[in-house]
Formats: sequence, structure tokens, C-alpha cells
Amino acid sequence: KAGVTQTPRYLIKTRGQQVTLSCSPISGHRSVSWYQQTPGQGLQFLFEYFSETQRNKGNFPGRFSGRQFSNSRSEMNVSTLELGDSALYLCASSLAGREQFFGPGTRLTVL
Amino acid sequence: QKEVEQNSGPLSVPEGAIASLNCTYSDRGSQSFFWYRQYSGKSPELIMFIYSNGDKEDGRFTAQLNKASQYVSLLIRDSQPSDSATYLCAVNRGVLTGGGNKLTFGTGTQLKVEL
Repeated sequence: KAGVTQTPRYLIKTRGQQVTLSCSPISGHRSVSWYQQTPGQGLQFLFEYFSETQRNKGNFPGRFSGRQFSNSRSEMNVSTLELGDSALYLCASSLAGREQFFGPGTRLTVL
Repeated sequence: QKEVEQNSGPLSVPEGAIASLNCTYSDRGSQSFFWYRQYSGKSPELIMFIYSNGDKEDGRFTAQLNKASQYVSLLIRDSQPSDSATYLCAVNRGVLTGGGNKLTFGTGTQLKVEL
């Protein structure tokens, strides 16, 4: 069974731009969660989608948004990028709302 | 007080020894507990999960949970150099208690297994 896939794997953007990241969960998994990992703050929860609905949201500004499609694939968008948004963005999928399996991540660099 | 606390390490153990990694959490509503392993430059990999008080063993790994003390630990027996990584403790209130699938992570403990 294929694991969680994320695209693109690496991105370089400049301040003020926006970016869209994509995540395809493990087949059959309906829950997709997004996390940001930085050296200073560690792993922090962004939001979770289940059956196309945002079920949970972390403490991030409104510039961070997401959505989920009917096939459970999910995208997250960051608008008006800031230098501090440089991070590893991780997507995790879950079948029954417990164990979460992470994808390889998207490394975003904001210049 | 951080929600999930871990000693950042590094924790150095000789090859073949038992590595003991500890984690405390503050939310008494936490229902699910996870250990992830993360190699440098890679994403976290789930290695153990535990939901009930007591011990859970899987191969060389044993997870221990004590909800009364709000404490969860990971033991790695017969440690190998390939076990050298950062180990992240994560907790979840759970879907049934309104926590959805939000994992709260500790900052991780760096483990070094020396030859």
C-alpha cells in the first residue's frame, strides 16, 4: 500500500507570494492533518480535515488555510508569505482517528 | 508549562544497551500516546502507540503509560547505531473527546547509540 505523498518536495518563494502544497493520503484514509516543523518551535498542528470538513484548527494566522477534496486529497495554502514561514510542512493521514502516518514533507524556503 | 515535555538530550547509550526515553504531558484529557522516530532531514515515523495504562511491547520497543502520573516512556532494548535519531513523544485528546486528530508534540529527545 502506498504511503502518504506530498508535492512538491521543495519550494523556494519570496516574501509576499503565496504557495499551495498538496497531500495525498494513504488509500482509504479520510483524515488528513497538516503540521509545521521548525527548529525553534518544533512540530505544530495547523489543521485537520475529515470528509472535506475542517474538524480541528491550530493557532496559526488566517494566512494559513486548507481544503480537502472528495477523494481525500488535501491542499494547504499560505498567502502573503513571511520569512518565518520557512519550515518543513508535513501532512499526516489517519484511518480511524488515532495513528497518524506522515508523508515526506515539503520544505518551504521563503527569501 | 509545556503541554508535552521531553528531555532534549542528547542521550548517549552504548550499542546493545537499553535506551530509556521519557515524556510527561499536562492535559489529563489525553487519550492516545505516540512515539515517532525522526532521522535528520526526514519526516517522523510512527514506531509505537499506546492507549491504556501499562506496557506495550513490539519487538525491541516497549511503550509504558501511566495516566495517573501523566507519564509515558519508550524503552529500546539492544540499541543499535541505526536507532540514533530524534524521538518525538506526541499525545492526542482523541476524536471522541472533541480533540479531533490534533497531535501535540514534545520537542524530542536526541538518542545517540555509540559503538
